[in-house]
Amino acid sequence: GAVVSQHPSRVICKSGTSVKIECRSLDFQATTMFWYRQFPKQSLMLMATSNEGSKATYEQGVEKDKFLINHASLTLSTLTVTSAHPEDSSFYICSAKSGGAVETQYFGPGTRLLVL
Amino acid sequence: SQQGEEDPQALSIQEGENATMNCSYKTSINNLQWYRQNSGRGLVHLILIRSNEREKHSGRLRVTLDTSKKSSSLLITASRAADTASYFCATANQAGTALIFGKGTTLSVSS
Repeated sequence: GAVVSQHPSRVICKSGTSVKIECRSLDFQATTMFWYRQFPKQSLMLMATSNEGSKATYEQGVEKDKFLINHASLTLSTLTVTSAHPEDSSFYICSAKSGGAVETQYFGPGTRLLVL
Repeated sequence: SQQGEEDPQALSIQEGENATMNCSYKTSINNLQWYRQNSGRGLVHLILIRSNEREKHSGRLRVTLDTSKKSSSLLITASRAADTASYFCATANQAGTALIFGKGTTLSVSS
């Protein structure tokens, strides 16, 4: 149990376009979902936390107008990278939890974004 | 901000050898977790150790926690090529609302 999926797994887009990444909890209801960004050979950096039905809480330095997060249901959160630029190329990972402590997160497999 | 700091950043060993990775953190914690990440993949949860525990085992993994030194270590015994991955420690932020990951140790096990 506790499976989190992400779609797509890889995406290549042109600079200036927008890209949507989906994160789904497949067998549980995720009251909270987290979005992380990971640059090559670096650690995961939390971008934002989203609670179902509420606006996402963004970490300092993360542009909320550039990284749009929607958590409209208990099983789906989306991250839209608007007007993507090459510096947005990264590995985006989501995680989800259903109540409980923050430590009980289940991670998705990640989405590799390459902006040309 | 980074809560955990791992060392070494990179570790190369031969199959059969033991690998030890260390993690230090800055604030008080309720527990600490270790994760593995294969190249280009998501995270796999390895083990959680609570603040009142000093040592925990899971298969070939041994984790220690020293809250007085705010540090933890992950030992992988009898390493295998399949253990090649990056390993991260993670703790909750002070508000308890998010996980903060260390910089990670990249382990390379050659056969």
